[in-house]
Amino acid sequence: AQSVAQPEDQVNVAEGNPLTVKCTYSVSGNPYLFWYVQYPNRGLQFLLKYITGDNLVKGSYGFEAEFNKSQTSFHLKKPSALVSDSALYFCAVRDGSAGNNRKLIWGLGTSLAVNP
Amino acid sequence: DGGITQSPKYLFRKEGQNVTLSCEQNLNHDAMYWYRQDPGQGLRLIYYSQIVNDFQKGDIAEGYSVSREKKESFPLTVTSAQKNPTAFYLCATSDRAYSNQPQHFGDGTRLSIL
Repeated sequence: AQSVAQPEDQVNVAEGNPLTVKCTYSVSGNPYLFWYVQYPNRGLQFLLKYITGDNLVKGSYGFEAEFNKSQTSFHLKKPSALVSDSALYFCAVRDGSAGNNRKLIWGLGTSLAVNP
Repeated sequence: DGGITQSPKYLFRKEGQNVTLSCEQNLNHDAMYWYRQDPGQGLRLIYYSQIVNDFQKGDIAEGYSVSREKKESFPLTVTSAQKNPTAFYLCATSDRAYSNQPQHFGDGTRLSIL
């Protein structure tokens, strides 16, 4: 069965420090992986995706994510956190292989707090 | 997301009342989705539509209904059968269902019971 886990409900970092928001997944075929950010009372905004190719994916607002097939992980990273990065972050996965269950599966979200 | 408009932003439902949430898009996307968001539960899929005049139930369709008469519009009706409707409702679109492209989201409608 397909699944996504975001093991941390909340992550706290100091401004200027690097941040990591973790995501692990399980699909039977090839994973399509996505990260989104949600600010209070707003919809989700797309940050980046991994479909194929380079394991390090760069996205919006200085975020990047590393696809690790052996660890089935797709952690979101940023070298230097900003207070304005404080938000709710969602990881999502779809099985990209034809014939498999290809619904988009969402993690439960991780609340990131960047302290000044 | 500027291409997807959800209205109203806030909605209140009385006991036994049906209410309809609007979602309009100008992105020319074929696929549209309705999600429900509750604190700590992430996003749960209510209904989705891959093409005009077609839609499928998601994981929590009971108490909800939809229509897709136009490509641009995918309204969601929360019926009186939905006993716990208080939530944040998000509409999303993508160029096609099951594609490698991301979904795009509106800014949501917050529904509360009076």
